[in-house]
Amino acid sequence: NAGVTQTPKFRVLKTGQSMTLLCAQDMNHEYMYWYRQDPGMGLRLIHYSVGEGTTAKGEVPDGYNVSRLKKQNFLLGLESAAPSQTSVYFCASSYPFGLAGPNYNEQFFGPGTRLTVL
Amino acid sequence: AQSVAQPEDQVNVAEGNPLTVKCTYSVSGNPYLFWYVQYPNRGLQFLLKYITGDNLVKGSYGFEAEFNKSQTSFHLKKPSALVSDSALYFCAVRDVPSNDYKLSFGAGTTVTVRA
Repeated sequence: NAGVTQTPKFRVLKTGQSMTLLCAQDMNHEYMYWYRQDPGMGLRLIHYSVGEGTTAKGEVPDGYNVSRLKKQNFLLGLESAAPSQTSVYFCASSYPFGLAGPNYNEQFFGPGTRLTVL
Repeated sequence: AQSVAQPEDQVNVAEGNPLTVKCTYSVSGNPYLFWYVQYPNRGLQFLLKYITGDNLVKGSYGFEAEFNKSQTSFHLKKPSALVSDSALYFCAVRDVPSNDYKLSFGAGTTVTVRA
């Protein structure tokens, strides 16, 4: 049981380049999320998905796109990278909120992707 | 709207002393509250949560937190800190009546435990 995995771990892009970050989870979670972490700002939600084929915008969606073609995967795309997108990106997954029992309601996080845009 | 405040950027304590990391929240209804810890170059790890019931919640690694509705607080505590507790701690909240599924995170508190 690998939990939540992210690829790649590190990436350096030039301004204007594109890339896709891959998140995979093997816990059969319905919900998946993409966050970015910047110093002094905590985690900010970029996009999230409440099920296969559905996505929604979070707090800071501009410049990013996402897709959830399979339940276990959630892709984050940068079409034209900008230096302001230099950050650490975290993927997370969870069961639907409101269910009772252990491991419900909390989110499980991947190890992160450190992205630098020059 | 839901929000979380962690009023201290840094907390420094000596090993063996009590550790407290403060968190206050704002929601329109009832909150779900969480604490996560992040070690250097790692993802966030779940420590504990308050959903309902007993206001004192016990979690991993000897941590506990007390939900105080009147003060809208959810402070994280450990009676005797260890050097290995040095990390970045995040408080998070979800507004229960909301149909929005996101958590709102605080800015984080860096804890340093000196030997």
